[in-house]
Amino acid sequence: GDSVTQMEGPVTLSEEAFLTINCTYTATGYPSLFWYVQYPGEGLQLLLKATKADDKGSNKGFEATYRKETTSFHLEKGSVQVSDSAVYFCALKIQGAQKLVFGQGTRLTINP
Amino acid sequence: DAGVTQSPTHLIKTRGQQVTLRCSPISGHKSVSWYQQVLGQGPQFIFQYYEKEERGRGNFPDRFSARQFPNYSSELNVNALLLGDSALYLCASSLDTSNSNQPQHFGDGTRLSIL
Repeated sequence: GDSVTQMEGPVTLSEEAFLTINCTYTATGYPSLFWYVQYPGEGLQLLLKATKADDKGSNKGFEATYRKETTSFHLEKGSVQVSDSAVYFCALKIQGAQKLVFGQGTRLTINP
Repeated sequence: DAGVTQSPTHLIKTRGQQVTLRCSPISGHKSVSWYQQVLGQGPQFIFQYYEKEERGRGNFPDRFSARQFPNYSSELNVNALLLGDSALYLCASSLDTSNSNQPQHFGDGTRLSIL
């Protein structure tokens, strides 16, 4: 079946450090890929997306590239801020399917 | 513009009771999906509705049911509540159901606690 695997957290970094959160997927069809962010006490916010191989999604300094050959969609940011502290979810959606399939989430804490 | 709104924000029930959760999608969105997020895990798909028709169902028991109204708002009902139903219930809306490029926009959820 379809599934998403994220690197286990929690991840703790200092402000201005480089961030990578790994995400790999298995899919029965051709997926679109998403990163969502969840701040404490809130729902999920779409951070970025990519819909085909080699697409790069970007938003708020975050980037992720759709790598079909390695079935990966790793999230990166060059210089993190305290306000980036949240839980990050990688997700996929197969064309024609109704549901998002999520990874287990990675909790990120940025210390000043 | 208003985002996806859910009510109530918090709810406490006891085992065996029944609960109804409500969701209003973003204006113009015709598709509503429901997800269950247990603490420390990613959301799990429960249902999707489009134009008042059920278009998808996840691996949840028949105690879970939902419906969508002509104004595209939706209700999720859970009967015979169990302790394991304690979770954050998320509603998401999107423009349509078939195009995977359309992102789903989430509400802040209803936190359901079962005692």
